[in-house]
Amino acid sequence: EVQLVESGGGLVQPGGSLRLSCLASGFTYTTSWMAWVRQAPGKGLEWMANINEDGNEKFYVDSVGGRFTISRDNGKNSLYLQMSSLRADDTAVYYCARQHCSSPSCYDFYIDVWGKGTTVTVSS
Amino acid sequence: SFELTQPPSVSVSPGQTAKITCSGDALPKKYLHWYQKKSGQAPVLVIFEDTKRPSGIPERFSASTSGTMATLTISGAQVDDEAAYYCFSTDTSGHHWGLFGGGTNLTVL
Repeated sequence: EVQLVESGGGLVQPGGSLRLSCLASGFTYTTSWMAWVRQAPGKGLEWMANINEDGNEKFYVDSVGGRFTISRDNGKNSLYLQMSSLRADDTAVYYCARQHCSSPSCYDFYIDVWGKGTTVTVSS
Repeated sequence: SFELTQPPSVSVSPGQTAKITCSGDALPKKYLHWYQKKSGQAPVLVIFEDTKRPSGIPERFSASTSGTMATLTISGAQVDDEAAYYCFSTDTSGHHWGLFGGGTNLTVL
């Protein structure tokens, strides 16, 4: 069964840091682009960041660039999101996601597998 | 910048046809995908690459594109289809960025 399981969410104070993890199983992780998507309370889905198969290409939405870092460990079938300088508006459910490339270069893609999400609350 | 615009809400009675639109200047050049999102659950892909339906998605879900507008159609909407629907596409500037539309809350009542 194809599965993504997030962990690491919790309550953190403004300005603090948190590291989210995602364990992938049931598919060939090493040949998949991966991504993080979040949804703040009462808000829509927000694509945040993605990373290519070997981890040497990373892209971020403007609102988190410089504060968040996406990374992966292909030996552990794991994806990570290191979050720092957290703000109240980073409060959200964070989803780990697998990208399916619609083109060889992966400039066209969609998310075909989602984790159940992990909740991050930034509050004092 | 690249934007996808959806109406905030659509309401239909059970059995009626629901149409949810998504507009964006880049749509003629990029694939458009649709997700269903229910509260407390992970999103579900209901349409990919403009018009294709994943296995397991009911045939009542279909989609079309015309120029800068895409439409998700739910024929014979059911109460269970009540959810938020998001369109999704990718950036045209050469970066591997994704973008969701603002979402449309579908009420089937």
